[in-house]
Amino acid sequence: EVQLWESGGGLVQPGGSLRLSCAASGFTFSNYALSWVRQAPGKGLEWVATLSGSGYTTYYADSVKGRFSISRDNSKNTLYLQMNSLRADDTAVYYCAKDFCSGGSCYSISDQWGQGTLVTVSS
Amino acid sequence: QLVLTQSPSVSASLGASVKLTCTLSSGHSSNAIAWHLQQPEKVPRFLMKLNSDGSHKKGDGIPDRFSGSSSGAERYLTISTLQSEDEADYYCQTWVTGIQVFGGGTKLTVL
Repeated sequence: EVQLWESGGGLVQPGGSLRLSCAASGFTFSNYALSWVRQAPGKGLEWVATLSGSGYTTYYADSVKGRFSISRDNSKNTLYLQMNSLRADDTAVYYCAKDFCSGGSCYSISDQWGQGTLVTVSS
Repeated sequence: QLVLTQSPSVSASLGASVKLTCTLSSGHSSNAIAWHLQQPEKVPRFLMKLNSDGSHKKGDGIPDRFSGSSSGAERYLTISTLQSEDEADYYCQTWVTGIQVFGGGTKLTVL
């Protein structure tokens, strides 16, 4: 069974930093791209960043580019999101999500989600 | 620009069928999408990958009541024999290289 478990959320002041982790099990971790997706309170889903299985290719939403950094440790089956220069509008539940693969091909859509971790940016 | 458009809300009666729509922006009518549901206070759940030709691959354990279809730039999710637990937010998702996009979501109310 695929499991994704986020941690590291909490309350942080504007301008501060936070590092989220996502521990994975139940699949061959290094074979899958992983993404961070966030959901502000009462709002919809917003893609944040994606990292390839190898860890060499990264993509970011414009809203976080230059402030957030996605990385992974394939030896630990763990995905990370380093968040710097945090703003109030970064307040959200952050989910990690695994790419969907079928028939030998993988697609940049999410087929498994973690339970999420809440990040609150406030003074 | 890649954009997915969904109606904000829809309602339907218990036991009836409902068809939700996700519209791809101009130039992206051949994109595949994913449908997800999010029940109140719960984690999103993957329903299916839906291709432009209407073929789809469902996630594990998704009931046969959920099906997908396509027409041009429109992607549809049909839920038959509505049950109370189908009351949820439904999101579509797509991508181009380097970007993923979610629609704004449709809130389904089961009457």
